[in-house]
Amino acid sequence: NAGVMQNPRHLVRRRGQEARLRCSPMKGHSHVYWYRQLPEEGLKFMVYLQKENIIDESGMPKERFSAEFPKEGPSILRIQQVVRGDSAAYFCASSPPNPEEGEKLFFGSGTQLSVL
Amino acid sequence: QKEVEQDPGPLSVPEGAIVSLNCTYSNSAFQYFMWYRQYSRKGPELLMYTYSSGNKEDGRFTAQVDKSSKYISLFIRDSQPSDSATYLCAWGGATNKLIFGTGTLLAVQP
Repeated sequence: NAGVMQNPRHLVRRRGQEARLRCSPMKGHSHVYWYRQLPEEGLKFMVYLQKENIIDESGMPKERFSAEFPKEGPSILRIQQVVRGDSAAYFCASSPPNPEEGEKLFFGSGTQLSVL
Repeated sequence: QKEVEQDPGPLSVPEGAIVSLNCTYSNSAFQYFMWYRQYSRKGPELLMYTYSSGNKEDGRFTAQVDKSSKYISLFIRDSQPSDSATYLCAWGGATNKLIFGTGTLLAVQP
């Protein structure tokens, strides 16, 4: 029973390049969340998606960041024109569709983004 | 005032000790409470989950919630070196968006 799969585990980009982070939720899960973790800080919510829908993007920076969860395939977090301040660990989580279990988030191992 | 306050540690204890980890929060809208454990370079792993005030026990772990005082605690009995990790408290409300504390780094010395 595979957990939440994220790739790549490590991503190095130069300033101005694009970063694409991928996340496949646990089998049977239809909700995906993206969180960012900076050194010495807690996990910060970015966006909550269901298939083909963005439910809550209140934590997403207004520019350069976008997320999608298409009908087929993984969820993608895309960062355009990366800057050094984007360097962080990005975690994806998924949760079951039933409301009673929906608050229990299961996390992937994260993608460590380093911007040179 | 921050929504969530968590003692960052680090906390170092000998093997077998009882560990107490604490968080306070200010938002009365929080409805459910969680503790996550995060090993180095790994994603957080759900340890405990509860809706109500009081104690919830699972093996060596006990989560305690006091809604009137707005704090939650995690107790670890008979701590083991394998418990060495960062422990994150988390809260949720009407949406599925969780608010996390900054984490407490725990080291259990053999």
